Amino acid sequence: RKEVEQDPGPFNVPEGATVAFNCTYSNSASQSFFWYRQDCRKEPKLLMSVYSSGNEDGRFTAQLNRASQYISLLIRDSKLSDSATYLCVVNTLLYSGGGADGLTFGKGTHLIIQP
Amino acid sequence: ETGVTQSPTHLIKTRGQQVTLRCSSQSGHNTVSWYQQALGQGPQFIFQYYREEENGRGNFPPRFSGLQFPNYSSELNVNALELDDSALYLCASSFRGAYEQYFGPGTRLTVT
Repeated sequence: RKEVEQDPGPFNVPEGATVAFNCTYSNSASQSFFWYRQDCRKEPKLLMSVYSSGNEDGRFTAQLNRASQYISLLIRDSKLSDSATYLCVVNTLLYSGGGADGLTFGKGTHLIIQP
Repeated sequence: ETGVTQSPTHLIKTRGQQVTLRCSSQSGHNTVSWYQQALGQGPQFIFQYYREEENGRGNFPPRFSGLQFPNYSSELNVNALELDDSALYLCASSFRGAYEQYFGPGTRLTVT
């Protein structure tokens, strides 16, 4: 089983629509969770952290379900500029006692917003 | 922008050669992590440096090595290059204890 699994898409969505992405992770010891956005041939950029209580940043809402090991991202009123690959990311301490924390990425979900 | 810089932007090497990639971390950050991103894949964790020492490594062979300098900048060295090493190499800086990592623009390495 892959550590972080996402539907690769592509998701073709009309401008103004609401779109939701999900991902699952396998390591129950994972500490923190993120969504990154990556444009073609560019570096990943932190979109938002994901908390158990759920969090919202403008048109973006993220949810975490630790019991089901499931993370979601909701984009409302989608814009053409939202077209990108969305990477689900999990941060797991590699060693106890404050050791390295490497990010584990899903393969990404490709979103295309159509005019 | 994150303030993380990497050099060079692009690089073409021949199989068997060695390469050094460089990264300057964001001001105030003391930890640097390196990732390899093959085409169509998510980034894969190579290793992390803190206090000039490697303190965690992903599933990469020893021919991938690195350094961190007192100013927190870092190098990634790859020996005996293979065709499969062709990828985007990303460095990410962070502050120890904070989970968010911020990426530089990457170095695109092509091995022929």
